[in-house]
Amino acid sequence: IVLTQSPATLSLSPGERATLSCRASQSVSSNLVWYQQKPGQAPRLLIYGASNRATGIPARFSGSGSGTDFTLTISSLEPEDFAVYHCQQRNSGLTFGGGTKVEIK
Amino acid sequence: QVQLVESGGGVAQPGGSLRLSCAASGFIFSNYAMYWVRQAPGRGLEWVASINLDGSRKYHADSVQGRITISRDNPKNTLYLQMNSLRPEDTATYFCAKEVVVAGNHYFDYWGQGTLVTVSS
Repeated sequence: IVLTQSPATLSLSPGERATLSCRASQSVSSNLVWYQQKPGQAPRLLIYGASNRATGIPARFSGSGSGTDFTLTISSLEPEDFAVYHCQQRNSGLTFGGGTKVEIK
Repeated sequence: QVQLVESGGGVAQPGGSLRLSCAASGFIFSNYAMYWVRQAPGRGLEWVASINLDGSRKYHADSVQGRITISRDNPKNTLYLQMNSLRPEDTATYFCAKEVVVAGNHYFDYWGQGTLVTVSS
């Protein structure tokens, strides 16, 4: 299963809303995960099961979708949210998307 | 607290070998499937290999099949990745990760900090 993330880069200002997309080449049901990764660091779990926030993740992060189309929304960007975001499916095998970089405009 | 600490990375020549280790602590290691995921410089994440709880089932990506082997030593709480016949395209940071399954949802709740493997002559 191929996961396609868009856009590749999102240029926004702090306080703005970020909407990231992850599209699967075939249905992954709700087995979609989102991670955040900062330079030189390991990925950090944000969302599992398409819409469940992991422990300690702020409420400004939300996930939605099922089947083939998924969205990660950051309602109001904080300075620490500028990072790369990866989606991952585990419904059939394991694959990652190419990532979306959220950068400061 | 849960910790995953990788080691063993470095520079290897094409055709050479390296053995990566991932020392686990803070959880019952033998209760979890474990994974290796890599990230080439400036690129996305790529699944490399995975192993079940007791090490009886191992899975490897096609890109590494026959050259790279995952294993684990539960009494030592350690995950391994034996890398042989290395190629320049194996150059990446290698992360170990712990998989959790909750209500049918599979995800990695903890990752190591990664170890860099560079394959170059």
